[in-house]
Amino acid sequence: QQQVKQSPQSLIVQKGGISIINCAYENTAFDYFPWYQQFPGKGPALLIAIRPDVSEKKEGRFTISFNKSAKQFSLHIMDSQPGDSATYFCAGVTWDDKIIFGKGTRLHILP
Amino acid sequence: EAQVTQNPRYLITVTGKKLTVTCSQNMNHEYMSWYRQDPGLGLRQIYYSMNVEVTDKGDVPEGYKVSRKEKRNFPLILESPSPNQTSLYFCASSLDSMNTEAFFGQGTRLTVV
Repeated sequence: QQQVKQSPQSLIVQKGGISIINCAYENTAFDYFPWYQQFPGKGPALLIAIRPDVSEKKEGRFTISFNKSAKQFSLHIMDSQPGDSATYFCAGVTWDDKIIFGKGTRLHILP
Repeated sequence: EAQVTQNPRYLITVTGKKLTVTCSQNMNHEYMSWYRQDPGLGLRQIYYSMNVEVTDKGDVPEGYKVSRKEKRNFPLILESPSPNQTSLYFCASSLDSMNTEAFFGQGTRLTVV
């Protein structure tokens, strides 16, 4: 079954710290892995994404690390800020264009 | 302004009464999709469409229908809504299935009583 397991469910980080959210998948049908950020009352927004032939992708303070052999990928938020407080979803996109999301991580950055 | 517009934003209806949630995008995107978001379950894809007249089932299609007669519109139809379809629904569009330049609508909160 296609699944994306995300952890932790919730995370509290001090301002300036590093926030780390992990995802794991089982099905090798995924060939693209996006991350989404969602603020309360808003729709999700695409944050950053990676293909499995790349081990790391960085955009500003956001970095995805990808371990193909372990079927794991993670989002790192460097120098976390209160404005980063949101719910984050990882996802896998299959070869036939379906998208499977993780269950989300609620991140809270302490000021 | 690039946007995905869903209507209505809020809807309370009764079991069995057919309803349609509209979705429209102004970016000429080929890929559109519908999701439902439930506490503890995250986002789940209902249906998606790669282009006009091309639709396919996502993870949880039961009880829903869609159509894509025009590129810009992708309505979600509940022929006979049931209480387990009470949820927050999002429509999204993107250049392709890789969610290149993905945009989500503001959401439709549906309650079926």
